[in-house]
Amino acid sequence: GENVEQHPSTLSVQEGDSAVIKCTYSDSASNYFPWYKQELGKRPQLIIDIRSNVGEKKDQRIAVTLNKTAKHFSLHITETQPEDSAVYFCAASIGDNDMRFGAGTRLTVKP
Amino acid sequence: DAGITQSPRHKVTETGTPVTLRCHQTENHRYMYWYRQDPGHGLRLIHYSYGVKDTDKGEVSDGYSVSRSKTEDFLLTLESATSSQTSVYFCATKGRGSATEAFFGQGTRLTVV
Repeated sequence: GENVEQHPSTLSVQEGDSAVIKCTYSDSASNYFPWYKQELGKRPQLIIDIRSNVGEKKDQRIAVTLNKTAKHFSLHITETQPEDSAVYFCAASIGDNDMRFGAGTRLTVKP
Repeated sequence: DAGITQSPRHKVTETGTPVTLRCHQTENHRYMYWYRQDPGHGLRLIHYSYGVKDTDKGEVSDGYSVSRSKTEDFLLTLESATSSQTSVYFCATKGRGSATEAFFGQGTRLTVV
């Protein structure tokens, strides 16, 4: 099955700085790459996703890039705010049957 | 939030006892998943379902079984609970169509003593 690795496991930035989280996947057939944010004690919620036919997608302060050749994708958060502090998960899936997650990145934004 | 409800929300059980967790959805989503969340491991797929009575194993399926007799319900059973199964369990659902968002339930915190 698919294997997803995520780095770093923890990330601390100053408010206003940018944050980058990177993931790699193993199965070249993966075609969907979502990112989820999980606040303490809450359920994971989708913040952005990208499909394999797109190289980059942006939504306000959040962007995701995908390099299919290298099998890696990244989440970029600009102008970070304290409310961005959470655990972020990347995932990769092949169709609908199987969605695998990375181990997560705990992001702390210091005021 | 999508209409996904997990029950119970919290449970403490003894080693060796069977435990069943329930996931109920009102979205008529075809796909349903069970994950466990542990520190350092993220979300690991236990089992998933792609239709009524259609299920398959994920990456950490040993010691777990599932059933889906109705579109709206996906049950996860720990046949004989062990301390290593202490975890937070999340159910997720997804509608038809490749590359679509999965929605998560609130989670069930299970402690095996």
